[in-house]
Amino acid sequence: GESVGLHLPTLSVQEGDNSIINCAYSNSASDYFIWYKQESGKGPQFIIDIRSNMDKRQGQRVTVLLNKTVKHLSLQIAATQPGDSAVYFCAEMAWLGKLIFGQGTELSVKP
Amino acid sequence: GAGVSQSPSNKVTEKGKDVELRCDPISGHTALYWYRQSLGQGLEFLIYFQGNSAPDKSGLPSDRFSAERTGGSVSTLTIQRTQQEDSAVYLCASSPPGLAGEETQYFGPGTRLLVL
Repeated sequence: GESVGLHLPTLSVQEGDNSIINCAYSNSASDYFIWYKQESGKGPQFIIDIRSNMDKRQGQRVTVLLNKTVKHLSLQIAATQPGDSAVYFCAEMAWLGKLIFGQGTELSVKP
Repeated sequence: GAGVSQSPSNKVTEKGKDVELRCDPISGHTALYWYRQSLGQGLEFLIYFQGNSAPDKSGLPSDRFSAERTGGSVSTLTIQRTQQEDSAVYLCASSPPGLAGEETQYFGPGTRLLVL
């Protein structure tokens, strides 16, 4: 069935280093993917999205890469800051707005 | 501008009681979604509204769960005869007009429900 999963449940990085969070998806027909950041006690916050006709999209300090051949998605955060500490979810648009979320990766930034 | 708001922020209830959770979407957003997040888990889709109609109710876990939306704005998620396994954070999201499934969803802070 449809599923979106993350390779690592936790990731610890040093402040200033780059972070890479990975995600695998199973539905090859999916054409829209989103990364969300969720801080403790808050709802998910949109970070960046990418459609299947693109391989890469850049935002402010974040880059999303999409490899449709192996159904893999990644989020890269440049110069990671303490404020980046949160749980990061990838999500796949199934149909009619239904998002299928992965289990999340907890990013911890060490000063 | 104002984001998605949800109330109450926290709700503690006894097993068997009914609860109502409210969501106020961003003004002008036509689509509204409900998700459930259990402790340490990802989000589970519950239901989707386009205007006042719900084309997709596939995620509702049982007939104890229902939702409605009136006036194309506020939505209420009702859980009847609550069970302990209903304890979770219930999140609401809304998205602006556009092609279905192609607009970014913006989430509210959630309602934390605890069933004793």
